[in-house]
Amino acid sequence: KQEVTQIPAALSVPEGENLVLNCSFTDSAIYNLQWFRQDPGKGLTSLLLIQSSQREQTSGRLNASLDKSSGRSTLYIAASQPGDSATYLCAVFSGSARQLTFGSGTQLTVLP
Amino acid sequence: GAGVSQSPRYKVAKRGQDVALRCDPISGHVSLFWYQQALGQGPEFLTYFQNEAQLDKSGLPSDRFFAERPEGSVSTLKIQRTQQEDSAVYLCASSLTTGFSYNEQFFGPGTRLTVL
Repeated sequence: KQEVTQIPAALSVPEGENLVLNCSFTDSAIYNLQWFRQDPGKGLTSLLLIQSSQREQTSGRLNASLDKSSGRSTLYIAASQPGDSATYLCAVFSGSARQLTFGSGTQLTVLP
Repeated sequence: GAGVSQSPRYKVAKRGQDVALRCDPISGHVSLFWYQQALGQGPEFLTYFQNEAQLDKSGLPSDRFFAERPEGSVSTLKIQRTQQEDSAVYLCASSLTTGFSYNEQFFGPGTRLTVL
């Protein structure tokens, strides 16, 4: 059974810092990996989707990498802003089921 | 509509009551998913529909949980005889196609269920 772990569970940084969020998964036979953002009381917003054949994806200040063989992904946020404060979730799509398996998330606070 | 919508946004039920949660997917999306998110946890898969067919219900925690999508668009998740452990946010997602090649899932805002 696929398991996804995110470290750290919570992170607080001053505005302007670059930061890295980590995600690991136990079964490397994945189709793709996706990073989401969740604001309090809101649904999930997709940030980046990396196909299994890709090594990284970039969108603005966000960069996500994927090392499928080691079962790891990182989300890099450059020049963090208070508006980046949210919970970041990593999810993998794997196996024959059409379902996403999520980690528990990293709660990020960017202090002004 | 422009996105996935869910109603109600908040539901408070007394233990033992039945509840029904509604999901309106993005128009034309073939696949529909339900997830349950407990406080402080990531969402967990409940069930999956391809059009009106429920192809996977392996994540439903008990036979008190029932989902349907009779016309292949709107879906309803019903929970019978609610219990306190059912308290969670229930998220609905839809995606455009059905193949194993992944299609991005778009999520609704969720329904927060509190069972007293």
